[in-house]
Amino acid sequence: EDQVTQSPEALRLQEGESSSLNCSYTVSGLRGLFWYRQDPGKGPEFLFTLYSAGEEKEKERLKATLTKKESFLHITAPKPEDSATYLCAVQGNTGFQKLVFGTGTRLLVSP
Amino acid sequence: DSGVTQTPKHLITATGQRVTLRCSPRSGDLSVYWYQQSLDQGLQFLIQYYNGEERAKGNILERFSAQQFPDLHSELNLSSLELGDSALYFCASALGWDYTDTQYFGPGTRLTVL
Repeated sequence: EDQVTQSPEALRLQEGESSSLNCSYTVSGLRGLFWYRQDPGKGPEFLFTLYSAGEEKEKERLKATLTKKESFLHITAPKPEDSATYLCAVQGNTGFQKLVFGTGTRLLVSP
Repeated sequence: DSGVTQTPKHLITATGQRVTLRCSPRSGDLSVYWYQQSLDQGLQFLIQYYNGEERAKGNILERFSAQQFPDLHSELNLSSLELGDSALYFCASALGWDYTDTQYFGPGTRLTVL
C-alpha cells in the first residue's frame, strides 16, 4: 500500500532562517508527487507536481526536489506569511491510483 | 481563491441525522473529488466523479453517498451520523479524470456531530 511520511511534524523558524521539510514515500511506481500548502481552516493550495527523480521546481522562496524515495521542500529566507501546514501526496501507478496524503508539517515562522 | 465553492461553511448536527454538503467545481473542470480531513488521520480520499459518473471510490462509508449533477456541481450525503464523522470535508476539482491532473481544493465544510 502506498505510504507517505512527513517530517518533522512541526518546525519553528526565525524569519530568514532557511530549512527543509521532508516527505518520504513508498509507492509501487510513482506517477506524481504533489506539494500543497494549507492555512488553518482553509483548503489545501496546490504548489508543485514532481514526476521523476532529479526533477526540481521553484516558486518564490520554495523549491521542491525529488529522489526515488523522498522529496524535500526547501524554504529559503522564510517570512512569517510562509507559516502554514505543508502537505505532501503521492500517486502510484498500480491499483486505485488515488492520491495518498501525508499528515503534513506545521511550519511557524517568527518575525 | 481556487474557484471551487463549498456550502455550507459550518454545519452542526446531532447523531443519527442526515446532512448534504455541496460543491461547485471551477469553471471547465469535469472531475470532482471528495476528501475527509480529521485531526488524527489527515486527508482521506472518499470518492471521485467525472462528468456526472462515479469514477473511483476510496475510504467512503456505506452511510455516505455522493452524486454529480448535469451542471457538474456535486453533493455529498452523510447519513446516520456518528460522533466520529466530525471532520472537515473538502471537495476538489480537476480538468480531467487522471489523478495527476492538478486538483484545486475548496474552502471546506466543517461538520460537527454532537
